[in-house]
Amino acid sequence: GQNIDQPTEMTATEGAIVQINCTYQTSGFNGLFWYQQHAGEAPTFLSYNVLDGLEEKGRFSSFLSRSKGYSYLLLKELQMKDSASYLCAVRPPSNYQLIWGAGTKLIIKP
Amino acid sequence: SQTIHQWPATLVQPVGSPLSLECTVEGTSNPNLYWYRQAAGRGLQLLFYSVGIGQISSEVPQNLSASRPQDRQFILSSKKLLLSDSGFYLCAWSVSSRNGYTFGSGTRLTVV
Repeated sequence: GQNIDQPTEMTATEGAIVQINCTYQTSGFNGLFWYQQHAGEAPTFLSYNVLDGLEEKGRFSSFLSRSKGYSYLLLKELQMKDSASYLCAVRPPSNYQLIWGAGTKLIIKP
Repeated sequence: SQTIHQWPATLVQPVGSPLSLECTVEGTSNPNLYWYRQAAGRGLQLLFYSVGIGQISSEVPQNLSASRPQDRQFILSSKKLLLSDSGFYLCAWSVSSRNGYTFGSGTRLTVV
């Protein structure tokens, strides 16, 4: 079967660093995406990893290990506006669709 | 630049009434188009996807249907809504793997 696991909810403090993990078991792999979704809004694209390693984009970084079926999203210098759900999604090969995790709700406290 | 339009933003419909949600994309040609539903506090459920005009693939059997009458237009319909059809409906498009999906702003449907 195809499965993506993320923690349901995480809490962090403003100004701190938080790591959101995602593990996947899929029939093949052709890239992993992270999306941010604020309450009541549509998801917005954050990052894409297809090779092992770390991709950095400002305060956000995403890491991938294909051999371990594992990714994480690292958020630095947390701001209150980072309170949102973070969705992990995997693209199988030869497929137009994405397999989605249920999302991790991140709560930022002052 | 590419944009995606989805309307209406919110909709309250009685049980048994019809539904038509429209999504249009601008600034790209031959996009892959998707309809998703997200129940409150849940993940994204793929309903339909289309790789071209008139080509629709259904992922979940239900009382919804989709059509793609033009290259950049994707319509989600129902003849008779059920209470369980309530949710947040999202249209999305993609062209390349690198950029993933771009979502419309969504329609919050409440069936009463």
